[in-house]
Amino acid sequence: GQNIDQPTEMTATEGAIVQINCTYQTSGFNGLFWYQQHAGEAPTFLSYNVLDGLEEKGRFSSFLSRSKGYSYLLLKELQMKDSASYLCAVSTWGGGNKLTFGTGTQLKVEL
Amino acid sequence: GAGVSQSPRYKVAKRGQDVALRCDPISGHVSLFWYQQALGQGPEFLTYFQNEAQLDKSGLPSDRFFAERPEGSVSTLKIQRTQQEDSAVYLCASSRHGGGRARLTETQYFGPGTRLLVL
Repeated sequence: GQNIDQPTEMTATEGAIVQINCTYQTSGFNGLFWYQQHAGEAPTFLSYNVLDGLEEKGRFSSFLSRSKGYSYLLLKELQMKDSASYLCAVSTWGGGNKLTFGTGTQLKVEL
Repeated sequence: GAGVSQSPRYKVAKRGQDVALRCDPISGHVSLFWYQQALGQGPEFLTYFQNEAQLDKSGLPSDRFFAERPEGSVSTLKIQRTQQEDSAVYLCASSRHGGGRARLTETQYFGPGTRLLVL
């Protein structure tokens, strides 16, 4: 089966940088996604990694190490609107490349 | 359409009642997924369609859950004889192409979900 771990909660200060870690154990790995989900809303796509290394997209970056089963999401210049749940999800071959999600990390950005 | 839409957004059902949840994927998207999200948890896979074919239903929790996509676009998730443990948010997602070993994964775009409360 799949196993995905990420911290339950994190708190950071507006303007700072925060790193949210995700570790996974899976077979048939086909990529790792990060989604942002505000309360009561749909998960929205942030980033995707399939090869090792860093992917940068504006204030958000995501890193993947397949050999270590490890990823992180880096958020820079934090804003209050970044307060949300951040979901790490692993895609596996077959079944349309369905996603297996972690429980999500609830990020609170404070003044 | 501009995005994935779902209806109703909220549904309250009495235990034992049947419910039907609708998903309209992004126009032209081949793949459609249903996920169940309990409070404070990440979404959990229920079932997957490629066009009208249901290729994976391994995540459906019981035979009370049934999904269809008869014309390869709109999908309906039906729950019969609802139980309190069925209370959750039901998310629908779509992606442009089908999956399989020959194709790298694609981004799934999610709808706002249907929040089901069974009393």
